[in-house]
Order: sequence, then C-alpha cells, then structure tokens
Amino acid sequence: GAVVSQHPSRVICKSGTSVKIECRSLDFQATTMFWYRQFPKQSLMLMATSNEGSKATYEQGVEKDKFLINHASLTLSTLTVTSAHPEDSSFYICSAGGKGHQPQHFGDGTRLSIL
Amino acid sequence: GENVEQHPSTLSVQEGDSAVIKCTYSDSASNYFPWYKQELGKGPQLIIDIRSNVGEKKDQRIAVTLNKTAKHFSLHITETQPEDSAVYFCAASKGVTGGGNKLTFGTGTQLKVEL
Repeated sequence: GAVVSQHPSRVICKSGTSVKIECRSLDFQATTMFWYRQFPKQSLMLMATSNEGSKATYEQGVEKDKFLINHASLTLSTLTVTSAHPEDSSFYICSAGGKGHQPQHFGDGTRLSIL
Repeated sequence: GENVEQHPSTLSVQEGDSAVIKCTYSDSASNYFPWYKQELGKGPQLIIDIRSNVGEKKDQRIAVTLNKTAKHFSLHITETQPEDSAVYFCAASKGVTGGGNKLTFGTGTQLKVEL
C-alpha cells in the first residue's frame, strides 16, 4: 500500500528553537499534502493544505508565520515550527493525497516537546 | 462547513463479538467517507472507505454502510480480536476522491476488545 514517511518521529528541544518536520510520499506522487495537529485523546485538527509548487492554505486561527510549510516537490513537504514555545508541544501528523482515486495516507506523526 | 459527529466515544466488547461505530455528517455535498484506525503513538491508517454512489462496502471482517438520505455512515467490525483495539476515526470530504480534498474528522472512538 501507499507509504508516507515522516521524520523525525520525536523531537525534544528548548524554547525558541525552530524545528523542521519532513513528510515524504515514498511510492506515489502527492499533489496535495496536509498537516494536522493532534492533542492527547482528541481528533486531528487540520492546520494547512499544501499543493506542490504553490503557497499553502492555512486554516482559520493557524499562524502562517509560525508554521511555515514548503511543498517543493511531488514527494516532499516540510513543516517548520518557528521559535517554538511550550504551547507548541503536540503531535504533528502529515498526510498525502495523490491524483485520481487515491485516498489520503498518513505518516506516523512527530511528537514535539518544547522545554 | 462540514461537521462530523461520531458515537460512541468509547466501546468495549468481548473478543469475537461485533463492534459498530456510527457517524453523522452535516454537508449533503460530502461524497467520500473513509475510516481510519490509529494505534497509540502512530498516525491514522486507512482501513476502509466508501463513496456516495455505494450503499455498502465490505472487506473481510470490516464493513461500512452509508445512508445518504439520513446523512450517516457506520463501521462494522465482526469477530473482533484484541489487535482491533485502537482509536477509530470516521471522516468526510467533498470531491471525487478524497485524496486531494480536505477531510473533516469525527471525534474518534476508543475500541477495546477484551479477552
């Protein structure tokens, strides 16, 4: 089946650090990638949608200068959490959707902990 | 926008019994309904999906039913096994495939299969 790889799986860093998370589609071309945030025991909250070669579309309430998204190729999207603070600690998950009738497939998430 | 409600929030069944999770959606234009299974510390995994031109779909022990008139869809797991224990999310989207289209998730159901 389709595979989406997300790295790193876990990050622990100091407040004020910027953190980059990578999302790769390994066996298909992902025209669209999505970034979600998930709090413990809660559902997935869509943060932004990125289409290859164009600017990301952010959901209401998500700061685009805080969460920088780059989708430079059909297999790679990155999310950079800039100047991270403890309130940014969360589980971040990406998903990728291809063309045609391919459904969305998810990465295994990144656990971000800001001290 | 779309709103997806999911019930129950927790479900405990004995091994071998069936489990049913129900979701309702608000936007009659939604036409793609996937179900995801999320194990602890991992990303959601697609287990089955259904499009609005079909009323039922089955894959071994898993089936999904869709009632477009009532705007609800259900996941049925038969002969449950301990490895079925996880959080299950329903979702809905508008568009042809769901791959490049925004998903609206339900709130999740924690399924526990007891020996």
